[in-house]
Amino acid sequence: DGGITQSPKYLFRKEGQNVTLSCEQNLNHDAMYWYRQDPGQGLRLIYYSQIVNDFQKGDIAEGYSVSREKKESFPLTVTSAQKNPTAFYLCASTWASNTGELFFGEGSRLTVL
Amino acid sequence: GENVEQHPSTLSVQEGDSAVIKCTYSDSASNYFPWYKQELGKRPQLIIDIRSNVGEKKDQRIAVTLNKTAKHFSLHITETQPEDSAVYFCAANMEYGNKLVFGAGTILRVKS
Repeated sequence: DGGITQSPKYLFRKEGQNVTLSCEQNLNHDAMYWYRQDPGQGLRLIYYSQIVNDFQKGDIAEGYSVSREKKESFPLTVTSAQKNPTAFYLCASTWASNTGELFFGEGSRLTVL
Repeated sequence: GENVEQHPSTLSVQEGDSAVIKCTYSDSASNYFPWYKQELGKRPQLIIDIRSNVGEKKDQRIAVTLNKTAKHFSLHITETQPEDSAVYFCAANMEYGNKLVFGAGTILRVKS
């Protein structure tokens, strides 16, 4: 089943711990994105990457970090500096020019206790 | 700043009626405007999109209109059905097309 895979689906962590969410795609897409979804606030962009070894901050990058060492992978680390990390995180990918369909993963729900 | 405003936040319609969701955007350079549908517990999926060189696009019961001068675009769903119940997001590309900015979403409920 080709597509974009996020793991884990559910994650519980204690305050102060860093957490890494995985995102892998086999669609040969150049661009990958991380969005955060909170009730009533839509999808807010955390980080995005148009090409391997390069990425840009989105609108709410504080407290998050990413890497893009391989075209297929774009992991997101939620650091202890993120003040309100409990949320639903969605990874997406598309071809280099962002005027085409974004393909989303199934999401990862992070709960910080 | 760069943003997309979406209204209404919730919309209830009777089965068979039409539903309209409206969005406005801030970046005059935006040229791509997709609409995504997210069913409960599932990932968002593209249902229709429009580019700035056209004013309207239809796909069966769904249509999108774009007014570039006013910087707003709308989703129209006709003959609504219970399976249309979901959260709908509009979006616009910004920063020379490098990122997609989403509206806050509209919860559509179709009552049978």
